[in-house]
Amino acid sequence: QAVLTQPSSLSASPGASASLTCTLRSGINVGTYRIYWYQQKPGSPPQYLLRYKSDSDKQQGSGVPSRFSGSKDASANAGILLISGLQSEDEADYYCMIWHSSASVFGTGTKVTVL
Amino acid sequence: QVQLVQSGAEVKKPGSSVKVSCKASGGTFSSYTISWVRQAPGQGLEWMGRIIPILGIANYAQKFQGRVTITADKSTSTAYMELSSLRSEDTAVYYCARERVVSDAFDIWGQGTMVTVSS
Repeated sequence: QAVLTQPSSLSASPGASASLTCTLRSGINVGTYRIYWYQQKPGSPPQYLLRYKSDSDKQQGSGVPSRFSGSKDASANAGILLISGLQSEDEADYYCMIWHSSASVFGTGTKVTVL
Repeated sequence: QVQLVQSGAEVKKPGSSVKVSCKASGGTFSSYTISWVRQAPGQGLEWMGRIIPILGIANYAQKFQGRVTITADKSTSTAYMELSSLRSEDTAVYYCARERVVSDAFDIWGQGTMVTVSS
C-alpha cells in the first residue's frame, strides 16, 4: 500500500471548485504532518503550490494564487488541496508530499482536467 | 533569484553509471539542501536522496541505498547525483530541487535531465 494515495484523475468545469485528496496509509496520522502540494504541467518540472499542517502552520508558495488552499480531513486521514474558480491553466498533474522518517514521499498524483 | 541548471541528456548502457550535475545560478548553496527526484515516463515523482552542501552530509531513500551517491562542490555551487548499475527501469527525467529550509518545501527545481538506459 502506498504511503500517500491520490485519486488518479478528476474532471471539473471552468469556474467550479475541485477538491483533491491525499490519503495517508493507515498508521500514519495526518495530524502530525505538513502536507506539501505541487503542480506539474507536461514537459515542465513540478512547481510548489503550498504547505498545510494546520491553520496556524501553513504557507502559500511564492506567487501562488489564493484560490489554491490546503486543509485536512482528520476523519479520513487525508490532506486536501482545494482549487476554487477552476481555470483552464489549472489543468495539470498534482502531487502531495510529506517528510516521513527523514525521507520525502510523494503521492501517486492526480490528473486534473478542466472540461 | 537562484536558478538550478542541470546538465544535458544522457544515453547509457545497462550496467554503466551516470552522473548528473545541478549548478546554482544567481546565488550559492548557502545553507540550503539539494534533493534529487526522478520521474519515469508517464509515472509519478520519486525522491532519491539529498545533500546539505555546506555540511557535505547526504541521506538516501532506502530503495537507492548503495546505488546512488549525491555530492556537492561548494566552490562551484554544484551538486551531483551519480547512479550506478543502471537498468532500463532507471530511464527517467532526473530533477534536482532546493529545500530552502531542511525538510521543507522544494521551492526551486532544475529543468530536468533525461537519462535513457538502453542497450
